[in-house]
Amino acid sequence: AQKVTQAQTEISVVEKEDVTLDCVYETRDTTYYLFWYKQPPSGELVFLIRRNSFDEQNEISGRYSWNFQKSTSSFNFTITASQVVDSAVYFCALSEAALTGGGNKLTFGTGTQLKVEL
Amino acid sequence: GAVVSQHPSRVICKSGTSVKIECRSLDFQATTMFWYRQFPKQSLMLMATSNEGSKATYEQGVEKDKFLINHASLTLSTLTVTSAHPEDSSFYICSARGPYSSGGLSSYNEQFFGPGTRLTVL
Repeated sequence: AQKVTQAQTEISVVEKEDVTLDCVYETRDTTYYLFWYKQPPSGELVFLIRRNSFDEQNEISGRYSWNFQKSTSSFNFTITASQVVDSAVYFCALSEAALTGGGNKLTFGTGTQLKVEL
Repeated sequence: GAVVSQHPSRVICKSGTSVKIECRSLDFQATTMFWYRQFPKQSLMLMATSNEGSKATYEQGVEKDKFLINHASLTLSTLTVTSAHPEDSSFYICSARGPYSSGGLSSYNEQFFGPGTRLTVL
């Protein structure tokens, strides 16, 4: 069975601080996909990134960066120079590949509430 | 990008009534749609997978007679909460699996999420 663990329930930082959100996953599949989503107070999920299990390259997009470590089954997310608008719940998620029969079902972590204060 | 809508965005109803939530893929055809439920300050839990023209596949612990899913067309899936009770109050989110795939044999079809429906049962 697949499992995603986000051990940090809530993180509070002061604006301009860097913050890392942890994500650890479990799966028996050799092919899988990892995601990060942002959920602001409005509730709508905002897609941030998808990474497949064969691509361990780290990625940077503006102030966001992701560190995928297959050896430790982790896919951590760092926000550099955080801003108040970054305040939201962030979810890490895991999906099997379509052809394994799972139909791309997503398994979500419990989420990390990030509060960025002035 | 692909757009998924949900209607209504918010609904308040009395205990015992049934509520229908619609999920539409606006600019693509979706053979598969997913329904998730999110309680306050909790994660999204998959309720069921809806396949066009066939019966939905429910996750363990989800009552199929309570949460009726119909996927009558390639752009519309509906979730009906029958005889709703206060414990059914939750945020319901749908997603539609798009036709776009990547990754060759290990393909992934992108999922696009709707904005969610907040149900409050009094």
